[in-house]
Amino acid sequence: EAQLVESGGGLVQPGKSLRLSCAASGFPFDDYAMHWVRQAPGKGLEWVAGISWESGGRAYADSVKGRVTISRDNAKNSLYLQMNSLRAEDTAFYYCAKDMWSNLDGSGAFDIWGRGTMVTVSS
Amino acid sequence: DIQMTQSPSSLSASVGDRVTITCRTSQFINSYLIWYQQKPGKAPDLLIYSASSLHSGVPSRFSGSGSGTDFTLTISSLQPEDFATYYCQQTYSAPFTFGPGTKVDIK
Repeated sequence: EAQLVESGGGLVQPGKSLRLSCAASGFPFDDYAMHWVRQAPGKGLEWVAGISWESGGRAYADSVKGRVTISRDNAKNSLYLQMNSLRAEDTAFYYCAKDMWSNLDGSGAFDIWGRGTMVTVSS
Repeated sequence: DIQMTQSPSSLSASVGDRVTITCRTSQFINSYLIWYQQKPGKAPDLLIYSASSLHSGVPSRFSGSGSGTDFTLTISSLQPEDFATYYCQQTYSAPFTFGPGTKVDIK
């Protein structure tokens, strides 16, 4: 069964950094683009970042551009999100999601989602 | 960036009702329109991709239509398990924006 499991969330002070991880299993991880999507408490979904199958294509939401880096290690079936200069508005549940396609150009739908990891930015 | 709007923002309906949710994009996106269902405390589930293609395992009472800038999600006969929030998303160009959501609750 295809599965995504996020980790690395927690309470962090404003201005600090955090690295989220997502472990994939049950499907050929290196065939597909991957994404991070977040959801602030009681709010809607916000796409954060995406990466193509071979890391050649990366894209970011304007709200995180310059502060966040998405990466992947296909040998380890893992996706990462390095978040720097964290702000209170970054507080959210962060989901890892699998794309139906391999590239970000004309991306496909997100067909597999993890359960998410909570990031709280507060002093 | 492509802006997304959904209407209504919420609706109350009864089991058996036909429900229609609309999604509009600020720019042409061809058919790169996705629909998700999210229940409280859960990750979203994929319902429809490419505007009208039903994802594997999704009941046939769900259907999607539209292209260009105007899209519709229809639930032909609302079931108890369908009470949830529904989001559209465009995957035509990054950033891959989501709509604000439509909450469907019990009348």
